[in-house]
Amino acid sequence: EAQVTQNPRYLITVTGKKLTVTCSQNMNHEYMSWYRQDPGLGLRQIYYSMNVEVTDKGDVPEGYKVSRKEKRNFPLILESPSPNQTSLYFCASRRSGNEKLFFGSGTQLSVL
Amino acid sequence: DQQVKQNSPSLSVQEGRISILNCDYTNSMFDYFLWYKKYPAEGPTFLISISSIKDKNEDGRFTVFLNKSAKHLSLHIVPSQPGDSAVYFCAASIPGAQKLVFGQGTRLTINP
Repeated sequence: EAQVTQNPRYLITVTGKKLTVTCSQNMNHEYMSWYRQDPGLGLRQIYYSMNVEVTDKGDVPEGYKVSRKEKRNFPLILESPSPNQTSLYFCASRRSGNEKLFFGSGTQLSVL
Repeated sequence: DQQVKQNSPSLSVQEGRISILNCDYTNSMFDYFLWYKKYPAEGPTFLISISSIKDKNEDGRFTVFLNKSAKHLSLHIVPSQPGDSAVYFCAASIPGAQKLVFGQGTRLTINP
């Protein structure tokens, strides 16, 4: 089944404790991206990757890192999480040249 | 600066009637528009899209209308069914921008 898989689904952590949210897709998509969803703001792009070893900032990249060492994986790293990073995070992928994004099921992160 | 706006946070419609969800945008560079549907605890899933060279696109019970002069698009669902109850996001893209810009979402509730 074609899918984007994120882990974990739920995460509660404390300020400053490094964490990684994993994302993997099995559709051989070149493009991958991370979004966060906040009430009243919709989904906002954090980072994106056009292909392996090619990443770039989205609209809200502060406090986040990403890497794209393999085509299928695109982890999101929070080196020192803060409470304002409490949010619902979505990983997405698509084929190059096609605007239709496929989303994972989401990761609900709470930073205390 | 919210470039894509969904001004109705919620909408309630009787089963069998028409649901109309609205979306306004400010950036005239947007050339492709999409609607996504999101159920609780799931990621957004693609519903229907429209290119700026068209003013209407239909897929079964779903029709998207685009009015470029008014910078407005709408999603019509006819007839509405209980399974249509979800949050609907409109999104827009600019050629080469490598991201979708999302609205805040509208929660649609279909009442039996």
